[in-house]
Amino acid sequence: GQQLNQSPQSMFIQEGEDVSMNCTSSSIFNTWLWYKQDPGEGPVLLIALYKAGELTSNGRLTAQFGITRKDSFLNISASIPSDVGIYFCAGRGAGSYQLTFGKGTKLSVIP
Amino acid sequence: KAGVTQTPRYLIKTRGQQVTLSCSPISGHRSVSWYQQTPGQGLQFLFEYFSETQRNKGNFPGRFSGRQFSNSRSEMNVSTLELGDSALYLCASSPSTQQETQYFGPGTRLLVL
Repeated sequence: GQQLNQSPQSMFIQEGEDVSMNCTSSSIFNTWLWYKQDPGEGPVLLIALYKAGELTSNGRLTAQFGITRKDSFLNISASIPSDVGIYFCAGRGAGSYQLTFGKGTKLSVIP
Repeated sequence: KAGVTQTPRYLIKTRGQQVTLSCSPISGHRSVSWYQQTPGQGLQFLFEYFSETQRNKGNFPGRFSGRQFSNSRSEMNVSTLELGDSALYLCASSPSTQQETQYFGPGTRLLVL
């Protein structure tokens, strides 16, 4: 089946720093989604990408759909304490209805 | 627009029992997907329903089943519970079967003793 490798697994950063995390897939995807999950809650959709090369921003968040269609990255600029949480990437291959999720990147922000 | 709602939020059961979880999708959404989330395995797809029909199924045993009603609300049932079924069960809705954008509910945390 499709595999998603999300890295890093965890990050500790100082408040105000920029953050970058990425996902790579074993096969071509035509949809990439990025979610954030707070403890005890369901994942919340941050950014959706549907086209290779697409770069989309949502406030301090920016995500890109890689040209090879096998990767995506998420950047967070000027991190703040409420950015703490687990960030998941999810992708869907052509002809597939099923989303595959990465294992998540746990972000901790040190004030 | 109200988000995805799931009930109950927390549940404690014992081995061998069965459990039914409920999910109400966002108004107008017709596709409902269910996921199991555990620390070790991450988010794993259980199944997806659209227009009262199961369209996709993950690799879970037959003890896990679901259904969808005409108003798009969905239920998930787990029979003969095992300790390993302890997890956060998440429901997600989307407008169509393409699952292009899914919106998650808060989840039901199930503990099996």
